Parts: sequence; structure tokens; C-alpha cells
Amino acid sequence: QKEVEQNSGPLSVPEGAIASLNCTYSDRVSQSFFWYRQYSGKSPELIMSIYSNGDKEDGRFTAQLNKASQYVSLLIRDSQPSDSATYLCAVNGPTHGNNRLAFGKGNQVVVIP
Amino acid sequence: GAVVSQHPSRVICKSGTSVKIECRSLDFQATTMFWYRQFPKKSLMLMATSNEGSKATYEQGVEKDKFLINHASLTLSTLTVTSAHPEDSSFYICSARKFIGALQETQYFGPGTRLLVL
Repeated sequence: QKEVEQNSGPLSVPEGAIASLNCTYSDRVSQSFFWYRQYSGKSPELIMSIYSNGDKEDGRFTAQLNKASQYVSLLIRDSQPSDSATYLCAVNGPTHGNNRLAFGKGNQVVVIP
Repeated sequence: GAVVSQHPSRVICKSGTSVKIECRSLDFQATTMFWYRQFPKKSLMLMATSNEGSKATYEQGVEKDKFLINHASLTLSTLTVTSAHPEDSSFYICSARKFIGALQETQYFGPGTRLLVL
């Protein structure tokens, strides 16, 4: 089993709709969870970090963490064309050597005007 | 958020030369920085972990003598690509680890350095 899995293929959403991204992780003792956004040709940009179970909201973004089920999700409300990017789920914890991040492969989101 | 810079943003060099890339955490101290490489339409690949005041930890398959890492201060890590070859052409990205609390940390990425070896 991969450390971090993002299984969904490219996601197309109409402008104004909600984009929903899911991520599962294998290491039960993981402690820190992140969503990064990466535009084509650019480096990843941190958009959400979450450390405890439940929801965390920041503007149009909501991260949800469920440690019992080992998943973390990201909701993008009122999607805008500028949200079109690849979204990377990343997980960190004591079993990741030197506290490096384990990344999922990413989900491409395309917001259609 | 936090700011991580990289310099240069873009470099073109001749095969056989060495190129140094700097990564700086501008508004926080980072005892640990990471170096990644990313080829077009591919995932980030961790190359090495840079530790302030000690030797870097390299991932399997990454040549430590080819990719020299120096983390001389709490705000600066450098990656030197020695004797560069065209296959080293890639997008090199650093990240810096920032502690939020006792068990909470975040990593912020620099803007990346695009290397083209002719």
C-alpha cells in the first residue's frame, strides 16, 4: 500500500460548484496533513494544513481529517477558473524518516467557466 | 504563511560545469530543508534532506558526490550540481520546515529553479 493515495483522475467542475478531493494514508501515527496547490510549471503552494480530527476552514477551502479512517479531504467551494491546478495531499509523521513529507500523486482540477 | 526564496530562478549552463542553487528561508529559521526534483508532468521526487550543521541525507539512487548540499546556516541551504549533464536538466525545488508547535510543523516550498544543461 502506498503511503499516500489520491485515486481520483482529473476532476472537472463548473465554475461556482464545489470541488471535492480525497486522500488516504497508510501510517496511523501520522500527525500533520497538508494540501498543496501546484500550477503547471510552478512549485507547490501550501493552501491548508490540518493536525486534528474534524474540519478546518480557510476562505473557500475546507480540509477534513478523520484519523480513525485515515483520510483527509479538501473541499473547494465556489470554484473559480484560477483554482485549476494540481492538488497534492501530503502527510508527515514520526515514522517518515527525518520528518519528510509523503506526497500523493496529485489530483488535477479543471474549473470550467 | 512563510517565505522561502530560491536563486537563481532559471539557469542555463554548458555540460560539464557546476551550478549552485540557493534556498533561503526569509522569515523563519529552518534547521531542516529539503531538495526535490521534478520532471515535466511528473511527481515531485525528494533528492535529499538538508540538516543545518550536519551532513545531508540522500535518497536512494541520488549521487551525493554529484549533488552537493551545504546547510551552513539556519536560513540557507545550497545545492550544487557538479559536472552537469543534459539529463540533469530539471526543475529543482527546495522546501523549508517550520515548526508551528511541539508536534506540529509545516513545509513551505521555494519557487523553484529551472536548470537547462546544454
